[in-house]
Amino acid sequence: GENVEQHPSTLSVQEGDSAVIKCTYSDSASNYFPWYKQELGKRPQLIIDIRSNVGEKKDQRIAVTLNKTAKHFSLHITETQPEDSAVYFCAGKGGNQFYFGTGTSLTVIP
Amino acid sequence: SAVISQKPSRDICQRGTSLTIQCQVDSQVTMMFWYRQQPGQSLTLIATANQGSEATYESGFVIDKFPISRPNLTFSTLTVSNLSPEDSSIYLCSVRLRQGTYEQYFGPGTRLTVT
Repeated sequence: GENVEQHPSTLSVQEGDSAVIKCTYSDSASNYFPWYKQELGKRPQLIIDIRSNVGEKKDQRIAVTLNKTAKHFSLHITETQPEDSAVYFCAGKGGNQFYFGTGTSLTVIP
Repeated sequence: SAVISQKPSRDICQRGTSLTIQCQVDSQVTMMFWYRQQPGQSLTLIATANQGSEATYESGFVIDKFPISRPNLTFSTLTVSNLSPEDSSIYLCSVRLRQGTYEQYFGPGTRLTVT
């Protein structure tokens, strides 16, 4: 099955700086890569996703890039704000199911 | 998206008993899944709940321990049987809304503590 690795496990940035979280996947047939944000005590929320026929997707301050050749994809958050502090999970779609990365705990320091 | 609810939101159960968790969606969905999230950990798929037939379990999860029902396109239950402290976790249902789409949304979760 799919194996998704995520780095770093923790990330601290100053408010206003950018944050980048990277994931690699193993299954070259994976065709969909979502990112979820999970605040403490809350459910995971889908914040952005990308399909394998697209190299980059942006939504306001967040963007996702995909390099199919290298089998990695990244989440970019610009102009970070304290409310961006959360755990972020990437996932790869293998077959009919998602395989999640281990998560990145992002802290934005005011 | 859809409104996904779970009941109960939390429970404390004794060792050896069972807990049944309900997941209700306010619209028909194509696929429903059950995940476990242990404290500080990632999301692990338990099974895919199939409407009108037996669930499809992932490696390490068995029907006797985690029986699942999905009688229709909006409702599913997960039972965690013969509870032990190792079953203490958050259990989340997740749905995909439409055929041909991959977006997946999560319920609020059920926090289970086994004493």
